[in-house]
Amino acid sequence: ETGVTQSPTHLIKTRGQQVTLRCSSQSGHNTVSWYQQALGQGPQFIFQYYREEENGRGNFPPRFSGLQFPNYSSELNVNALELDDSALYLCASSTLGIYEQYFGPGTRLTVT
Amino acid sequence: LAKTTQPISMDSYEGQEVNITCSHNNIATNDYITWYQQFPSQGPRFIIQGYKTKVTNEVASLFIPADRKSSTLSLPRVSLSDTAVYYCLVGEGGKLIFGQGTTLQVKP
Repeated sequence: ETGVTQSPTHLIKTRGQQVTLRCSSQSGHNTVSWYQQALGQGPQFIFQYYREEENGRGNFPPRFSGLQFPNYSSELNVNALELDDSALYLCASSTLGIYEQYFGPGTRLTVT
Repeated sequence: LAKTTQPISMDSYEGQEVNITCSHNNIATNDYITWYQQFPSQGPRFIIQGYKTKVTNEVASLFIPADRKSSTLSLPRVSLSDTAVYYCLVGEGGKLIFGQGTTLQVKP
């Protein structure tokens, strides 16, 4: 059974640029959730995807968008990057409505 | 805003039992209580989940009083490798709302 994987591991972008982060969910899971974790803080819920549809969103602006593909893998896109977007971005896969979510290792994004 | 309140940090020694209490005064009827563990530069890891009374698995116990306004995570006989941040979450529908967490430092 393959765990949750994320790519890339690290990324450096310039303010105003766009970025795409990728996540492959664990086999058998149909739901992917994305979280942003700033240094020293708990993860903040961005949004969740279930069967290719957005299924809930946290307090993040529209420049944070996502996709889920038929194989349940997912992308997080962030447009017009700001310095405050620098964080660890975590993806977690699960079965819909289940609290036991399996997190990937994260993508460390630095915006300069 | 996080719906939970827990201590910012705790210290313990190897071999001791550690109890971390979380307050969730506004817990809703349908909310479950879930605990996660996170090591530096890693994603959180599910520990345990409960709705009421007591739940036990191979790594921890979760005690929930009848009013469900608080819960206590109990880690038996901690080791140095249990040094981590522990998060208490409440909610429904599988959308996790994390608070600040409790940083547990286990000393030799």
